[in-house]
Amino acid sequence: DTAVSQTPKYLVTQMGNDKSIKCEQNLGHDTMYWYKQDSKKFLKIMFSYNNKELIINETVPNRFSPKSPDKAHLNLHINSLELGDSAVYFCASSLGTGWWDTQYFGPGTRLTVL
Amino acid sequence: QQPVQSPQAVILREGEDAVINCSSSKALYSVHWYRQKHGEAPVFLMILLKGGEQKGHEKISASFNEKKQQSSLYLTASQLSYSGTYFCGTDKGSSNTGKLIFGQGTTLQVKP
Repeated sequence: DTAVSQTPKYLVTQMGNDKSIKCEQNLGHDTMYWYKQDSKKFLKIMFSYNNKELIINETVPNRFSPKSPDKAHLNLHINSLELGDSAVYFCASSLGTGWWDTQYFGPGTRLTVL
Repeated sequence: QQPVQSPQAVILREGEDAVINCSSSKALYSVHWYRQKHGEAPVFLMILLKGGEQKGHEKISASFNEKKQQSSLYLTASQLSYSGTYFCGTDKGSSNTGKLIFGQGTTLQVKP
């Protein structure tokens, strides 16, 4: 059984469109994250939710809006897509928010904006 | 604030050893090591916690020197399956948000 899953795996779209990525975890974790990995493989935190509450909100354009309907799900909606949004987006989850908590990553969603 | 990994890339023959270093300019509470194969997700290897403990996982082990604010990942008798990009993620322990700052990655290629 997949621990952290994301849909879709690939997303190709035109500039200006709006798209969503969905994430689900079946590990019973309380905390979920969105990361962006650029073409140079730099992995950067974007958002984090703990028990459906937003706790990390990095310097990300407000075109990006996360939403957590429950502890097991975290979605990412992106408005007015730009070329620079092309990247691989990873969802991750951890039991809690402690510095001792391990984060487990989903398979990633490769977003290509044309 | 981003930890610095060295080397950036390394090529090995099967059976050779490698060391990957992760250095921070800030005090650390934990260092998390991941391996990512091409087109796949980062996979958790091990976590090193404040206290300087050394951990092991098969032929992969790591150490954490709090005073030097650095961690090292040791790959012994490397196998082809060890190929990939290794990332260290660091937590300063100050925010209690689970926020990890990742290094730029070290690409390891193991050849037959």
